[in-house]
Amino acid sequence: GAVVSQHPSWVICKSGTSVKIECRSLDFQATTMFWYRQFPKQSLMLMATSNEGSKATYEQGVEKDKFLINHASLTLSTLTVTSAHPEDSSFYICSADIGGRVRTPYNEQFFGPGTRLTVL
Amino acid sequence: KNQVEQSPQSLIILEGKNCTLQCNYTVSPFSNLRWYKQDTGRGPVSLTIMTFSENTKSNGRYTATLDADTKQSSLHITASQLSDSASYICVVINPNFGNEKLTFGTGTRLTIIP
Repeated sequence: GAVVSQHPSWVICKSGTSVKIECRSLDFQATTMFWYRQFPKQSLMLMATSNEGSKATYEQGVEKDKFLINHASLTLSTLTVTSAHPEDSSFYICSADIGGRVRTPYNEQFFGPGTRLTVL
Repeated sequence: KNQVEQSPQSLIILEGKNCTLQCNYTVSPFSNLRWYKQDTGRGPVSLTIMTFSENTKSNGRYTATLDADTKQSSLHITASQLSDSASYICVVINPNFGNEKLTFGTGTRLTIIP
């Protein structure tokens, strides 16, 4: 159980276009989903926290108008990279919090397989 | 300065050998510590989760230890296999009033050679 999928797994686009990445929790409902970006040989960097039915919370330095996040249902969050530029090329990973009202250390996040974005 | 430091940055060992990866952290307060395995081009997969009261936890050939006093953790891999080649990431969780904040280490890139 606790499977998170992402689509597409890789995408190549031209500079200036927009790209949408989907993150789905396949066998559980995720109140909260997270979007990360990972550059080669670096750690995952949290971009934003997405709560179902409300606006996403962005980390400092992440442009909310450039990285649009929508969490329309308990199993789907989308990240849209608008007006993509080559410097946006990266590995984008989402995770979903299996959640629950009672927080325990074992309420862990499950990560998707990632989406490789290349902007030409 | 990263609050979660891992060493070594990279490691190459022969198939069948054991190895130990280190993680030192300064994150406070601390809820739990997790080790993840990340294959190239894939998302991280959880190996172990330990709270501050746990000293050791095993998952097959993986054994994690935690010393909350010295803020150190290690991941020991026994009888390594070629499929163990991956990045291993130490993640420390700050409870942050119910909104958990994950702090990721820089990872150790492990390569197993036949």
